[in-house]
Amino acid sequence: SSELTQDPAVSVALGQTVRITCQGDSLRSYYASWYQQKPGQAPVLVIYGKNNRPSGIPDRFSGSSSGNTASLTITGAQAEDEADYYCNSRDSSGNHLKGVFGGGTKLTVL
Amino acid sequence: QVQLVESGGGVVQPGGSLRLSCAASGFTFSSYGMHWVRQAPGKGLEWVAFIRYDGSNKYYADSVKGRFTISRDNSKNTLYLQMNSLRAEDTAVYYCAKDLRLGELSLFLDYWGQGTLVTVSS
Repeated sequence: SSELTQDPAVSVALGQTVRITCQGDSLRSYYASWYQQKPGQAPVLVIYGKNNRPSGIPDRFSGSSSGNTASLTITGAQAEDEADYYCNSRDSSGNHLKGVFGGGTKLTVL
Repeated sequence: QVQLVESGGGVVQPGGSLRLSCAASGFTFSSYGMHWVRQAPGKGLEWVAFIRYDGSNKYYADSVKGRFTISRDNSKNTLYLQMNSLRAEDTAVYYCAKDLRLGELSLFLDYWGQGTLVTVSS
């Protein structure tokens, strides 16, 4: 399958830690990247590769991977972290030169 | 700073054509691969196409292969998406995005435009 699977919705109490996961066959061979999207805005890259943060992304965002699962962890979630989060990696159905996104996870900060 | 500005969206009838443009600035456009990604209203992101920094290789999602063509003009710092045989299900905001890796495909998209809306409707 070329798909990446994410939980549709996750919630976290303010200041607590939350993990958002992404499952797919391609993750056994390729790292994921993670994007944050707030309503009416373009996506923003927050994590890529093994565990890399672009400049300007707070260090409360981190990434990890094991087997067919990639994870985005937010340690000490803030109100401004409430958003949709998407994982992205390579297609695993035979053509690794194509991209695929997960269905997205809506994060609610309580 | 890096800027990506899409244009060319609008309303088109089923079966029609449209060409999107993405004007790039703030980085060496000719050194990076570029992507198109779309998002249907209220839905998730869908990767559409990639073009290598020099235009020598192009890859497409199955949903658009044979109908859409990605291209670039490095002398104008502009990326294009020619969309033919448009269908209702192609209705979406179309984003152009820069690949993070110099020269080659990484599928890490580090800069995105604000998007342009394409509506396919009769």
